[in-house]
Amino acid sequence: EVQLVESGGGLVQPGGSLRLTCAASGFTFSLYWMHWVRQVPGKGPVWVSRINSDGSSTDYADSVKGRFTISRDNAKNTLYLQMNSLRVEDTAVYFCARVGSRCSGGTCYSHWGQGTLVTVSS
Amino acid sequence: QSVLTQPPSVSAAPGQKVTISCSGSSSNIGNNYVSWYQQLPGTAPKLVIYDNNKRPSGIPDRFSGSKSGTSATLGITGLQTGDEADYYCGTWDSSLSAVVFGGGTKLTVL
Repeated sequence: EVQLVESGGGLVQPGGSLRLTCAASGFTFSLYWMHWVRQVPGKGPVWVSRINSDGSSTDYADSVKGRFTISRDNAKNTLYLQMNSLRVEDTAVYFCARVGSRCSGGTCYSHWGQGTLVTVSS
Repeated sequence: QSVLTQPPSVSAAPGQKVTISCSGSSSNIGNNYVSWYQQLPGTAPKLVIYDNNKRPSGIPDRFSGSKSGTSATLGITGLQTGDEADYYCGTWDSSLSAVVFGGGTKLTVL
């Protein structure tokens, strides 16, 4: 069974940093692109970042570019999101998501973690 | 303001059919595959349609998807109370180089 388990969320002051972790199991992690998606409760999901299967290519939403860094450790089956210079507007639940094996476009998410809440507030 | 436009809410009686629209542009829906997600309160989104009209394993055939031009539609027939949820469309936007989602549609089964 595919499982994605996020951790690392919490309360942080504006300008601070957090590192989110997504532990993957139940599939060959090294074969899949992985994404981070965030969602403010009551609002729609917002894409944050993606990384290719071997970690050599990354993309970011304009709103986080230069502040967030996505990475992965295929030996540990783990995805990361390093978040620096956090802003109040970064407050959201952060999900890691795996691209579906049958998705032609590469941007459909067949599996999601349970999410971890990041709150940026003074 | 979301890149993809969905109606805020739809409703229908149990057993009836409902459709949810998702409107975009040539840089997203018009030239990329659309996915649909169901989200129950307090849970992560769940994929119900991918590649415009395909159902993942375990999704009943009451759920269907279609795409025409720069719009996509999710259809649900034989509505059940368990279908009450928020539904989101998503796709790649070639101009933004980003995945984009709709603002969501709350389905109420009266």
